Amino acid sequence: GESVGLHLPTLSVQEGDNSIINCAYSNSASDYFIWYKQESGKGPQFIIDIRSNMDKRQGQRVTVLLNKTVKHLSLQIAATQPGDSAVYFCAEKVPRGSTLGRLYFGRGTQLTVWP
Amino acid sequence: EAGVTQSPTHLIKTRGQQATLRCSPISGHTSVYWYQQALGLGLQFLLWYDEGEERNRGNFPPRFSGRQFPNYSSELNVNALELEDSALYLCASSTRYILQHMNTEAFFGQGTRLTVV
Repeated sequence: GESVGLHLPTLSVQEGDNSIINCAYSNSASDYFIWYKQESGKGPQFIIDIRSNMDKRQGQRVTVLLNKTVKHLSLQIAATQPGDSAVYFCAEKVPRGSTLGRLYFGRGTQLTVWP
Repeated sequence: EAGVTQSPTHLIKTRGQQATLRCSPISGHTSVYWYQQALGLGLQFLLWYDEGEERNRGNFPPRFSGRQFPNYSSELNVNALELEDSALYLCASSTRYILQHMNTEAFFGQGTRLTVV
């Protein structure tokens, strides 16, 4: 993922609907991916992670899907609630070289849930 | 269990001054990461410390520096502050990063909002 641009993609959903947030990552060598949720004025909060040897992982109300062929990651939130309103970031980790130890963050998606 | 804690929450400095930001990792975590989140620009990697040593550094000038103490807490120092340094500075921690063998989760603190005027 790349942290570029001033305008965040936005997603507006009605309470109770399912949400799908997408992320395109940049490095085919990335071996680990994380989704974070960031509410206004707060630090990013870990939601769910997935390793590159997996295609899908489920948590409580959330599912992450990984498609390594097209370098695409998605976060599905079931029965979206107003408390889910936040900016969602995907992050990738490359296991070696000068990128060691750092996470690369996507630009973020602003999710707004309306009643 | 206490999470990652950062201090101060807010910091206002004038151009040319120095700022010191502090981070206490989750108990048992030895790696500390610093990120800068400028308005609308996402998270940019600054520094990574593990076991008291700087392990990696992002594309920031040398006036951004830091250190990690024996208790694994960390400081970020920004010298000769510029207006563009105004941002939310986030600290994250994780268990020891083991090369190619383990993927570790990184947990973030609430950040320090630095404003340079």
